Amino acid sequence: DTGVSQDPRHKITKRGQNVTFRCDPISEHNRLYWYRQTLGQGPEFLTYFQNEAQLEKSRLLSDRFSAERPKGSFSTLEIQRTEQGDSAMYLCASSYGPGDSPLHFGNGTRLTVT
Amino acid sequence: AQSVTQLGSHVSVSEGALVLLRCNYSSSVPPYLFWYVQYPNQGLQLLLKYTSAATLVKGINDFEAEFKKSETSFHLTKPSAHMSDAAEYFCAVSTEGGKLIFGQGTELSVKP
Repeated sequence: DTGVSQDPRHKITKRGQNVTFRCDPISEHNRLYWYRQTLGQGPEFLTYFQNEAQLEKSRLLSDRFSAERPKGSFSTLEIQRTEQGDSAMYLCASSYGPGDSPLHFGNGTRLTVT
Repeated sequence: AQSVTQLGSHVSVSEGALVLLRCNYSSSVPPYLFWYVQYPNQGLQLLLKYTSAATLVKGINDFEAEFKKSETSFHLTKPSAHMSDAAEYFCAVSTEGGKLIFGQGTELSVKP
């Protein structure tokens, strides 16, 4: 169990640029989740996958956000035309099995939009 | 819809004192409840989970939590605080599909 890996750890970008984050879940986990966390707040759900299928998207996920999980393995989260309000920590988590299975989190990607 | 409320955004205790972090939940179905800890610039680590097997749940680092249905509470306690316990703590409730809904978090400070 190598844990959930996220890349990059930090990203600084200028407003209007596109950014892409990657998440590698624990290998046997079939569910993968993306959360966003701003300073002093709890993580907010963005979207989740079961295998390669994206099963739910939050209303927080505007049209500028897109997530993929090809082949049910790693996932990418892309933000197009970034805005200063997108500055946050983006957390990825994975789990296996039913709803009582705990989520295992990566260390996150901190995005700063200048 | 499920939700979680954590009472107190900041809690300060002395080293060796009891830690009590409060969490109340709202759920239309029997809930699965979790406590996570987050250290600066890191992801969340699971402390413990409640899945209806027992109302008193023991977790890592001597933390425990008691599920009280009548009070819709799932408070986190630790008998004796250590300096290393200083962190942000999050209570969460699981929904269908395993998605977690988190509270706002409680920052725990431990004074020497």
